[in-house]
Amino acid sequence: AQTVTQSQPEMSVQEAETVTLSCTYDTSESDYYLFWYKQPPSRQMILVIRQEAYKQQNATENRFSVNFQKAAKSFSLKISDSQLGDAAMYFCACSSGTYKYIFGTGTRLKVLA
Amino acid sequence: NAGVTQTPKFQVLKTGQSMTLQCAQDMNHEYMSWYRQDPGMGLRLIHYSVGAGITDQGEVPNGYNVSRSTTEDFPLRLLSAAPSQTSVYFCASMRANGNTIYFGEGSWLTVV
Repeated sequence: AQTVTQSQPEMSVQEAETVTLSCTYDTSESDYYLFWYKQPPSRQMILVIRQEAYKQQNATENRFSVNFQKAAKSFSLKISDSQLGDAAMYFCACSSGTYKYIFGTGTRLKVLA
Repeated sequence: NAGVTQTPKFQVLKTGQSMTLQCAQDMNHEYMSWYRQDPGMGLRLIHYSVGAGITDQGEVPNGYNVSRSTTEDFPLRLLSAAPSQTSVYFCASMRANGNTIYFGEGSWLTVV
């Protein structure tokens, strides 16, 4: 069975600073994908970044990057130059070939002006 | 550019009533699913379908029915609503052999 754990219910960051959100996962599959989704107050689910497990290189998308540690089953999200618009719930997710996405419980990010 | 469309967006039900949450996607995706989101619990899979005529249970299927008569539509039926089913419901779709899931905008359901 797949599990995804986000141990930080809430995080705060000063505007323009950097913050890292943690995620650990467990899966018995050798081929899987990892994701970070952003959910603003509107509740819309927005894909932030995606990582294929077979790729060693960490994914980056502008100010967002991940630290993928496959052996440790860790997948953290780093947000650089934080902006007020980054305030949201962030969900980590894992998907294997069964089409099932398993989500963590989320981390609420507050950005302080 | 519709993507995944859910209706209704808001609904209040009385305990014991039945209703159907509609979901349609126009991307010809084979895979569709329903999640519920509750505070502190993330998104939990209710039911999913890998193609027309094929459905299966997820983590929390009790109290819900689904059917998949067409590729485009995947309605979620609440048979006899209970206050424990108060939640935000998300429909999602994904193409076969794909790995990125697309979400609808969510349906807020309150059962009183």
